[in-house]
Amino acid sequence: ETGVTQTPRHLVMGMTNKKSLKCEQHLGHNAMYWYKQSAKKPLELMFVYNFKEQTENNSVPSRFSPECPNSSHLFLHLHTLQPEDSALYLCASSQVFGGEQFFGPGTRLTVL
Amino acid sequence: KQEVTQIPAALSVPEGENLVLNCSFTDSAIYNLQWFRQDPGKGLTSLLLIQSSQREQTSGRLNASLDKSSGRSTLYIAASQPGDSATYLCAVLNTNAGKSTFGDGTTLTVKP
Repeated sequence: ETGVTQTPRHLVMGMTNKKSLKCEQHLGHNAMYWYKQSAKKPLELMFVYNFKEQTENNSVPSRFSPECPNSSHLFLHLHTLQPEDSALYLCASSQVFGGEQFFGPGTRLTVL
Repeated sequence: KQEVTQIPAALSVPEGENLVLNCSFTDSAIYNLQWFRQDPGKGLTSLLLIQSSQREQTSGRLNASLDKSSGRSTLYIAASQPGDSATYLCAVLNTNAGKSTFGDGTTLTVKP
């Protein structure tokens, strides 16, 4: 595996479900990011981790809960989501905090 | 608050034409600027990164310039090909806060 991988690629869940998105980077980077991409809107930065420490929470609702157990792995735990949370969720990593970013393929989330 | 604008929102050109995509930003105190392409339903592919101390970067048929004083960056694509059809995004990266602000993108269609 190379680059940034994300699983699952597609996810359909009900509003009462709990699910998790996984991101793994094989680039030896120290910073990881979660973004949300909704139709007709620019990418929205959700969370930033630098050396496993969360440095940014961009006013994201608590129904989204990030976890970064080490510099290579990033999770986004989801619970009691709303239909408007349906979007493409993208993970990225960079060598240094705020540096050149490399993205994964994304998880297409649909909330019913 | 950093705002990033990309003009035009959509562009259609015949194959072989040279073209310029524009990106403007409101806060010139940036760390670097990154250009990406995104194919429908996919993640972002990094094209070029320009650090704030640089004025341009080149990769193959692509050339990106940066003018911090005017708050502008341009992506020049030479001899366009149908495979260049995608959405092109610029992102302004701020190291101090680890924040990245994306534009809405320019959707490019290159007709054979």
